[in-house]
Amino acid sequence: ETGVTQTPRHLVMGMTNKKSLKCEQHLGHNAMYWYKQSAKKPLELMFVYNFKEQTENNSVPSRFSPECPNSSHLFLHLHTLQPEDSALYLCASSPTGRGGPGEQYFGPGTRLTVT
Amino acid sequence: AQSVTQPDIHITVSEGASLELRCNYSYGATPYLFWYVQSPGQGLQLLLKYFSGDTLVQGIKGFEAEFKRSQSSFNLRKPSVHWSDAAEYFCAVQYAGGTSYGKLTFGQGTILTVHP
Repeated sequence: ETGVTQTPRHLVMGMTNKKSLKCEQHLGHNAMYWYKQSAKKPLELMFVYNFKEQTENNSVPSRFSPECPNSSHLFLHLHTLQPEDSALYLCASSPTGRGGPGEQYFGPGTRLTVT
Repeated sequence: AQSVTQPDIHITVSEGASLELRCNYSYGATPYLFWYVQSPGQGLQLLLKYFSGDTLVQGIKGFEAEFKRSQSSFNLRKPSVHWSDAAEYFCAVQYAGGTSYGKLTFGQGTILTVHP
């Protein structure tokens, strides 16, 4: 596989469930990102990881818990979500996130529906 | 705080017509600018980027964009639109240095509809 992959592509979960989203990048990048895309809202940056270290948490509720075991993998653990958390969750990677210019490469996203 | 404005939420053009999508960013030193395209149910694909140098940049799929510092703008253009260009287009800005850690700030997006 090439680029940035995300699994699952679609997820329906109840408010009491626990699930995880997975992202994998095959680009040799050092920075990875989680974004939330809701209808009629700009993309919202949630978390940034550089060299496996979390460098930004954009005031995300604790029911979202990221994990980055290595530079190629990023997870988003979900628990006790609310219906308003239904959205498209996008993962991205870039060569480095340390303040320099760099385009981000996006995965296809996970469409999450919370019932 | 850095911000990006895409004034047009929805644009409709006829196939073969020219296209210009507008993007304005909040003032800041050394902006790095991007245009992405998103087809329904898909992630974002990079169309082009501006870091420095020539202010007219060429991208994929026949798109180009011009950086105008005096107007804080980075408008996307295409001389002849194809039906396959129908999608949502996002402008994004990134600033160097500090603790931004490569943070991209996106505009609201412009939905492009192409009529045959």
